[in-house]
Amino acid sequence: DAKTTQPPSMDCAEGRAANLPCNHSTISGNEYVYWYRQIHSQGPQYIIHGLKNNETNEMASLIITEDRKSSTLILPHATLRDTAVYYCIVRTPNNAGNMLTFGGGTRLMVKP
Amino acid sequence: DVKVTQSSRYLVKRTGEKVFLECVQDMDHENMFWYRQDPGLGLRLIYFSYDVKMKEKGDIPEGYSVSREKKERFSLILESASTNQTSMYLCASSLSGSNTIYFGEGSWLTVV
Repeated sequence: DAKTTQPPSMDCAEGRAANLPCNHSTISGNEYVYWYRQIHSQGPQYIIHGLKNNETNEMASLIITEDRKSSTLILPHATLRDTAVYYCIVRTPNNAGNMLTFGGGTRLMVKP
Repeated sequence: DVKVTQSSRYLVKRTGEKVFLECVQDMDHENMFWYRQDPGLGLRLIYFSYDVKMKEKGDIPEGYSVSREKKERFSLILESASTNQTSMYLCASSLSGSNTIYFGEGSWLTVV
């Protein structure tokens, strides 16, 4: 799986949009971009994933650049409960979970 | 919503005890996984299973075994717990052919 680079930490004001960047310059054509988050003392939570088109669900939007070398996760109206570590992962489509590697992630602090 | 339930959130066991960590998922997923998460080491795969009675070693299987007698249930067994197995254990599941992995809440195990 391709390596990803994320800023170690970010702050965001409550109610504002949180934009979390991720670089994955070595991504290959069949690798998907996945985002998970982990709130303190809980298991990782799936947020969203995409291949090359932008994606939106009830939690977030995922914007992938045309060259696919970077992406941005957008939480449109951050709340205090969105404070967590956010992990960007790129993965090939296979059945095994042994390729799931979480890097350092971005620690997002949403402030009142 | 997918639900992955781990039976115990917090356990304290003595060195040498046999420990069972139970995990149940309610979405008929074929794949199930056990990870441990430690500060600075990220998420490491212990074992995974892609079908009933099937199991595959992950990156760190030593000191652990697993059991998958029913599709919805995947148990992690520590035959003789040791202090270096103090960790947070995460169960996860996914559909065959899907890259989206869903995690449980985690089980914090302390071995004294």
